[in-house]
Amino acid sequence: DAGVIQSPRHEVTEMGQEVTLRCKPISGHDYLFWYRQTMMRGLELLIYFNNNVPIDDSGMPEDRFSAKMPNASFSTLKIQPSEPRDSAVYFCASTRDRGPSGNTIYFGEGSWLTVV
Amino acid sequence: GNSVTQMEGPVTLSEEAFLTINCTYTATGYPSLFWYVQYPGEGLQLLLKATKADDKGSNKGFEATYRKETTSFHLEKGSVQVSDSAVYFCALYNFNKFYFGSGTKLNVKP
Repeated sequence: DAGVIQSPRHEVTEMGQEVTLRCKPISGHDYLFWYRQTMMRGLELLIYFNNNVPIDDSGMPEDRFSAKMPNASFSTLKIQPSEPRDSAVYFCASTRDRGPSGNTIYFGEGSWLTVV
Repeated sequence: GNSVTQMEGPVTLSEEAFLTINCTYTATGYPSLFWYVQYPGEGLQLLLKATKADDKGSNKGFEATYRKETTSFHLEKGSVQVSDSAVYFCALYNFNKFYFGSGTKLNVKP
């Protein structure tokens, strides 16, 4: 399996620009998660989807952030307008519901965002 | 609620030293427990997991035992190598959500 695929791998953008991060989960996984990692706050869950439906977006920091999952193999996280404090590594992750036997969450390699 | 607390780093050890990274959790029900490792510039990778009390997860010389009585899942390795230098995250899975600790950075010196 190819694993979780994220793009772009690195992005540098100017404040005020729109940023779109993309994710392709592992085939057959019905849960998709977006996390943000910073030195100050560690790993934060932003939003997660089940069967393409957003279930919990309580971690999305502001209205500037939005996420969509139009189909089972694609999701986007958009920041508009971007601000320097949005600079972080954004991880996409996916898993498949295995019930009581426990799940393993698989992470992509991250999108390293710098807003200047 | 559900949460994970792990020891703060960085932890600095010499090669071949014994490693312990403490992790305790708070959870309702019967969570699964995990250790993930993050090497510089990479995403998190599963290191080991345990799905019920008294289970021991092990991989690459690392091991951790799910202790329900002490709500702990401490990571241990008998002899660390320089290549083990990374950030280690303890995590729990409960009710369709993963909860991660803040990470512990391990530096192993030759």
